[in-house]
Amino acid sequence: EVQLVESGGIVVQPGGSLTLSCAASGFTFSDYAMHWVRQAPGKGLEWVSLINWGGAMTYYADSVKGRFTISRDNSKDSLSLQMDNLRSEDTALYYCVKDMRGTWSAFDFWGQGTLVTVSS
Amino acid sequence: DIQLTQSPSSLSASVGDRVTITCRASQDISDCLNWYQQKPGKAPRLLIYDASKMQTGVPSRFSGTDSGTHFTLTISSLQPEDVATYYCQHCHNLPPLTFGGGTKVEIK
Repeated sequence: EVQLVESGGIVVQPGGSLTLSCAASGFTFSDYAMHWVRQAPGKGLEWVSLINWGGAMTYYADSVKGRFTISRDNSKDSLSLQMDNLRSEDTALYYCVKDMRGTWSAFDFWGQGTLVTVSS
Repeated sequence: DIQLTQSPSSLSASVGDRVTITCRASQDISDCLNWYQQKPGKAPRLLIYDASKMQTGVPSRFSGTDSGTHFTLTISSLQPEDVATYYCQHCHNLPPLTFGGGTKVEIK
């Protein structure tokens, strides 16, 4: 059974930093691309970032480019999102998401999310 | 960037009704369009990928069609457990991998 378990969400002040983690199990982690997708309270879904199967290719939404860094450790089946210079508009539930393929296509498994609140 | 416009933004229908949700892309994205269902308080679930391919375990009353820029998700016979918000998402190129604005489906 595929499981994705996020952690690291907290309340942080504007301008602060935070690292989200995702522990994956139930599939061959190194074969698949992984994403972070967020959802602000009461709002729709926003794709945040992608890393391909091997970690050589990373992509970001314009809203987070230069502030967030996605990474993966295939030896530990883990995904991370380093978030710097946080803004109030980054407040959201952050989902760790598995792609169906090694690059990008559809998001076939989602974690339950970890809540990040940016507030003074 | 590719924009996705979903319509309607919400709908109310009776159990057993046929429901259709539309997603229009701002440019030709071939068949690279996926549909998700999100029930209240839950993570999204993949329903349809590559415009018309059904994800494993999805009830057969769900189906998807495409025409390059005009995509539809159809629920052939609405059930109470289908109450949810539905999102389309393109995978044609990136960044970004845009989602549509969502369609909230309720039971009349």
